[in-house]
Amino acid sequence: GESVGLHLPTLSVQEGDNSIINCAYSNSASDYFIWYKQESGKGPQFIIDIRSNMDKRQGQRVTVLLNKTVKHLSLQIAATQPGDSAVYFCAERQGSQGNLIFGKGTKLSVKP
Amino acid sequence: KAGVTQTPRYLIKTRGQQVTLSCSPISGHRSVSWYQQTPGQGLQFLFEYFSETQRNKGNFPGRFSGRQFSNSRSEMNVSTLELGDSALYLCASHGLTTVTDTQYFGPGTRLTVL
Repeated sequence: GESVGLHLPTLSVQEGDNSIINCAYSNSASDYFIWYKQESGKGPQFIIDIRSNMDKRQGQRVTVLLNKTVKHLSLQIAATQPGDSAVYFCAERQGSQGNLIFGKGTKLSVKP
Repeated sequence: KAGVTQTPRYLIKTRGQQVTLSCSPISGHRSVSWYQQTPGQGLQFLFEYFSETQRNKGNFPGRFSGRQFSNSRSEMNVSTLELGDSALYLCASHGLTTVTDTQYFGPGTRLTVL
């Protein structure tokens, strides 16, 4: 079965608020994690990634936090905008030649 | 730099038929991975090709196969289609560095099996 899961299947936030999307993984050997955003009718779009030797990485309006102690990954989106509405997937890779294993996704809905 | 392209975008087939989907990776990327996306199972890994060789394979029946050409373009084939094969088939290309393995996805091919 999948080793990556999500705590919240849906998340509704007000425009301008910060969003936090969570993800749990079960394999402590995973060394690389990615967040993807998928809009309706499109393929997943890369947002941000993080390696297991880091615990935080920031991008433009997004931050990924990795807590290896509890095997938890989160994506924080600052000042959420309507264009952020999409399904967000976390994925993990196990080993340098491992395939990506995806969680089932969280749907983010931004209310204007 | 052009992104990952997939053809066709939409396809309708009937049970028992076979189908071939095509993927052109980002220029310079040598690795291509294929995924099946369904509402019930989410994104599931099919296989990965690197330098014309299958390097990794997911847990799918032998009806699902693929190949990669010398220009890194890849095709996947599904034979003896079943209703459950209806899905969005996504291709992702990656440059395979030793540090990261960012995979960039194409728009997908929506396959409907009737």
